[in-house]
Amino acid sequence: TQLLEQSPQFLSIQEGENLTVYCNSSSVFSSLQWYRQEPGEGPVLLVTVVTGGEVKKLKRLTFQFGDARKDSSLHITAAQPGDTGLYLCAGAVPKLVFGAGTILRVKS
Amino acid sequence: GAVVSQHPSRVICKSGTSVKIECRSLDFQATTMFWYRQFPKQSLMLMATSNEGSKATYEQGVEKDKFLINHASLTLSTLTVASAHPEDSSFYICSASSGPGQPQHFGDGTRLSIL
Repeated sequence: TQLLEQSPQFLSIQEGENLTVYCNSSSVFSSLQWYRQEPGEGPVLLVTVVTGGEVKKLKRLTFQFGDARKDSSLHITAAQPGDTGLYLCAGAVPKLVFGAGTILRVKS
Repeated sequence: GAVVSQHPSRVICKSGTSVKIECRSLDFQATTMFWYRQFPKQSLMLMATSNEGSKATYEQGVEKDKFLINHASLTLSTLTVASAHPEDSSFYICSASSGPGQPQHFGDGTRLSIL
C-alpha cells in the first residue's frame, strides 16, 4: 500500500485552465515537499511546507498543507504548456516517501 | 545554491559489465545521500540511504551486493551496479541533503541501458 496517495495520476488540460493535485495520507508528516520533474531529468524542489494549515504561493502555483499535516494540495492557476511535467509530493516521516506522481500535460 | 551533479547522464553497455555512477554535491556538504530508481512514468523508489563514512542502509528487496554504494566524502557518493543485466536498465537518480530535516536536492539522473 502506498503511504502517500496522489491524485489524479494523469491530467490533460487546455492552456488557461486551472487544476488541483492532491496528496493524501493517514500518516502525519513533519514536512511535505512538492517536486516537478521533466523527462530525463531529476526532480526539482518547488516548495516545502512544514506548518499545519500553511499556504505557500509560487507565482501561479499555490500549495497548501492540511491542518493535521496528513495531506496537501497543489493548485495551478491558468496552466501553461511549460507547466507540463511529472509532479511529485513527498512526505518526511522523517525518511522521504514519494507519492506515485501526477503526469500533467497542458495543451496549447 | 544546492546543486547536485550526477555523472554520467547516460550509459549503454553490454550485459555483465559493472557500471559506476557518481553523485556530487557542488556547493554544500551532504551528510546524507540517497539513491533512487525510477521506471518510466512512475515515481521514485528509494534504493538506499548513505551517510558519509558509514555503510549504506538498503531498502527491502534491494541487493546490497548488486548495488554497491560508497559515500567516502561529504561531497561524493557512488553507486556501482555490479555485473549489470538487462533487468537493471532504468533511470537512477541520486539526491543529497545537508542534514536531518533538510530538503533533498536531486541530480539529473542516469539513464542506464543494458544490452
